[in-house]
Amino acid sequence: DGGITQSPKYLFRKEGQNVTLSCEQNLNHDAMYWYRQDPGQGLRLIYYSQIVNDFQKGDIAEGYSVSREKKESFPLTVTSAQKNPTAFYLCASHGTGRSSYEQYFGPGTRLTVT
Amino acid sequence: AQTVTQSQPEMSVQEAETVTLSCTYDTSESDYYLFWYKQPPSRQMILVIRQEAYKQQNATENRFSVNFQKAAKSFSLKISDSQLGDAAMYFCAYYNNDMRFGAGTRLTVKP
Repeated sequence: DGGITQSPKYLFRKEGQNVTLSCEQNLNHDAMYWYRQDPGQGLRLIYYSQIVNDFQKGDIAEGYSVSREKKESFPLTVTSAQKNPTAFYLCASHGTGRSSYEQYFGPGTRLTVT
Repeated sequence: AQTVTQSQPEMSVQEAETVTLSCTYDTSESDYYLFWYKQPPSRQMILVIRQEAYKQQNATENRFSVNFQKAAKSFSLKISDSQLGDAAMYFCAYYNNDMRFGAGTRLTVKP
């Protein structure tokens, strides 16, 4: 079945450590996104990529980094510079063309930094 | 950046009744896409309905329909015959080059 996978579902790190969240899709989608969701709030855009080897900052990119070396993969690194990294992180993707802009979401990763 | 506003943080509806969730957005573009997503307690985002801005006809998906007012930049979601399984967070989203989400409306369905 086609879809988006995010692993792990729960992730725990000590403050000061970098951590990388995985996002893989087998939908053959060109565009991929990372969002952060805090309790009771909406989704805030961290980074997005419309094509391999290219990505753009979203509204809250500070303290995060991404890479897009393969079409299927869009890992997100939460660096020690991110002041409040504990949150729920969602990855999404979509195709291109007029009928393809709805986003498909992964199940999310809950990151806790102590 | 375009903004999406959901003015109702919480809404409540009686089972089998109808409820309307509001959404407005700000854009200078004429071609864009609008979506409503549902996020149940599992936190999996589920697409409810989509609307292309160039289409005047309001989208409908079974019990879900939208009222798209392009000039007013309004995109409300109507849920008819509400069911207990409709209880969730609902997010309005706008797409033009990237996707922007509103803050969400928490819908409670009372039996």
